[in-house]
Amino acid sequence: DAKTTQPTSMDCAEGRAANLPCNHSTISGNEYVYWYRQIHSQGPQYIIHGLKNNETNEMASLIITEDRKSSTLILPHATLRDTAVYYCIVRIRAGGTSYGKLTFGQGTILTVHP
Amino acid sequence: GAVVSQHPSWVICKSGTSVKIECRSLDFQATTMFWYRQFPKQSLMLMATSNEGSKATYEQGVEKDKFLINHASLTLSTLTVTSAHPEDSSFYICSAKTHLAGYNEQFFGPGTRLTVL
Repeated sequence: DAKTTQPTSMDCAEGRAANLPCNHSTISGNEYVYWYRQIHSQGPQYIIHGLKNNETNEMASLIITEDRKSSTLILPHATLRDTAVYYCIVRIRAGGTSYGKLTFGQGTILTVHP
Repeated sequence: GAVVSQHPSWVICKSGTSVKIECRSLDFQATTMFWYRQFPKQSLMLMATSNEGSKATYEQGVEKDKFLINHASLTLSTLTVTSAHPEDSSFYICSAKTHLAGYNEQFFGPGTRLTVL
C-alpha cells in the first residue's frame, strides 16, 4: 500500500474548521484514501473514505486533489471532543492481496482548544 | 456504524501466565477480524488477520505460538497471549469487517490494556 505523510501535530480553535492535510504521492489507481481517528486510550474510529471524488458525511468532508496525490480532511466545526490522532491511510480496493489490511502511520495529533 | 466489543477492557497478570482477550462483532457477521497492538506513544501495528474457520495469518515478526488467535464463529475472535512477559504489556485492539457489498470500513473495538507484572 502507498505510504502517506501527515504533519505531526496541528492546533485548531473550537468552532473553527480543522483542515488536516495528507500526502500520498505514490498512490495507485486502485487505492482508496481512508481517514480514521483515535481518541486517547480508545480504538480507532472510521471517519470517511474516497477514491477520487470529494466526499462528505455527517462527520467530515474529504477533498482529494485531481491528481490524487494529496487529500484534506475537513472537520467543519471542530469541538473539544475532536481532539485526537487522525490517521490518513491508503488501501487497495477489493481484489488486491492486501484488501482489508489497514496500515497505520504516525498520524496527526489534532488539539482543539477553547 | 457497526459495534465491536472487547473483553476485558483491561487486565493485569503475573509474568508467565496466559491471558485471553475476546473480540465480538455485536450487530454484524465478521468474516475477517484483525488484531493490532499499540505501545505507548506509538501507532497501531497489525499483528494478524483471521478469517472465520481458518488459520490466522500473522505479520512478520509476530510469534504465532505466543499469540494464539481463534476465529471460531462469525461474531467472535479470541487472542491468547501465552506465557506473558512484561514486554507484552500493551494496548491490544481488534477490528472486524464483513464482506457484504458496500461495507468497506473496518470497525474497531475499544481496546484491551494488558499489564504484565
